[in-house]
Amino acid sequence: AAGVIQSPRHLIKEKRETATLKCYPIPRHDTVYWYQQGPGQDPQFLISFYEKMQSDKGSIPDRFSAQQFSDYHSELNMSSLELGDSALYFCASSFSSTSPGQGDTIYFGEGSWLTVV
Amino acid sequence: LAKTTQPISMDSYEGQEVNITCSHNNIATNDYITWYQQFPSQGPRFIIQGYKTKVTNEVASLFIPADRKSSTLSLPRVSLSDTAVYYCLVGDSSGGSYIPTFGRGTSLIVHP
Repeated sequence: AAGVIQSPRHLIKEKRETATLKCYPIPRHDTVYWYQQGPGQDPQFLISFYEKMQSDKGSIPDRFSAQQFSDYHSELNMSSLELGDSALYFCASSFSSTSPGQGDTIYFGEGSWLTVV
Repeated sequence: LAKTTQPISMDSYEGQEVNITCSHNNIATNDYITWYQQFPSQGPRFIIQGYKTKVTNEVASLFIPADRKSSTLSLPRVSLSDTAVYYCLVGDSSGGSYIPTFGRGTSLIVHP
């Protein structure tokens, strides 16, 4: 079965540079979530989208932005990178019949490793 | 905001049944409980989801008491490959939408 696809899998950037991560949800899924997981930490919710509109916002820095496109893929843009942005970034997707609901099953991608040097 | 509390770590041996309990005292009426498994440097993998009573699938069972303030993930006959971090998630519906929020997971180590 198709899963959530994230690219690139690994990325190395220097401080103050910009990085873009891409997420391709499972076909027919209309909701995308982004998470950040630092070394030894638990995943932290950043932002979510439903039907190409921002749905919820978590602890996402102002230097980060994201969007969901017409084909439902999503991109996370990170600017002015800092050493502390080094982490594993997960994208997840689900299908919500009307709007994101509590019973939706959410599936995660394998993540994109960002290393800031 | 529904928060969850789990044991930080657990140890078991191959072939044993493992039960991991999650406390979620502030669970909302419409919230579901979902468990994920995560291996190092991999994305969380969906295990099981439930609302009340008992749910069983091919890999695990989920027990939820009537008050829904806790839930227990049961893994039958664990193997070494079950060594992972297990997360209990409760839907945050406070904003009218669902924010899957991770708490501190349980690091399960299965010994030979």
